Amino acid sequence: NAGVTQTPKFRVLKTGQSMTLLCAQDMNHEYMYWYRQDPGMGLRLIHYSVGEGTTAKGEVPDGYNVSRLKKQNFLLGLESAAPSQTSVYFCASKDFGYNEQFFGPGTRLTVL
Amino acid sequence: DAKTTQPNSMESNEEEPVHLPCNHSTISGTDYIHWYRQLPSQGPEYVIHGLTSNVNNRMASLAIAEDRKSSTLILHRATLRDAAVYYCILRSTGNQFYFGTGTSLTVIP
Repeated sequence: NAGVTQTPKFRVLKTGQSMTLLCAQDMNHEYMYWYRQDPGMGLRLIHYSVGEGTTAKGEVPDGYNVSRLKKQNFLLGLESAAPSQTSVYFCASKDFGYNEQFFGPGTRLTVL
Repeated sequence: DAKTTQPNSMESNEEEPVHLPCNHSTISGTDYIHWYRQLPSQGPEYVIHGLTSNVNNRMASLAIAEDRKSSTLILHRATLRDAAVYYCILRSTGNQFYFGTGTSLTVIP
């Protein structure tokens, strides 16, 4: 039981490049979330999903897209990376009817 | 707009109780109050949550004000492993979680 895993762990991009971050969970959770955490700040919600095939915007969705084609996976895409998107990205999942979120280890992204 | 307000940092001596405050004056009647903590270079981990009544679990206690505009996380005996950033969070009915900026807890041996 791996819990929540994130791929990759680190990435460096140039401005304008695109990439996809993968989040996978093996707990059969309904809800999945993508957050970003900037230095000295709390986490801010980017997008989330309440089930397979659904997505919704969080606090800071601009510049990101997401997809939830399979229940266990939640993808976060950056179509044209900007230096302002340099951050640590955390994925989390939560089961329906429960309160606890389970977080992945994070992806550290640097955009030059 | 910040949904929760916490002190930036606090210190505690080892094996003493710690009271971490949080203000959430704009809380709605259906928002749950959650606390998570984050160790360096790790994702946050769940500590406790509540709606109206005080709550206890093996990690901590949560005291919620009668008007729900503030709450306090209580660690009964701080250990060195409790040194972390503690986040007070509101969970909306839409299952969105709004993190504050957190309190960095230092535990002094």
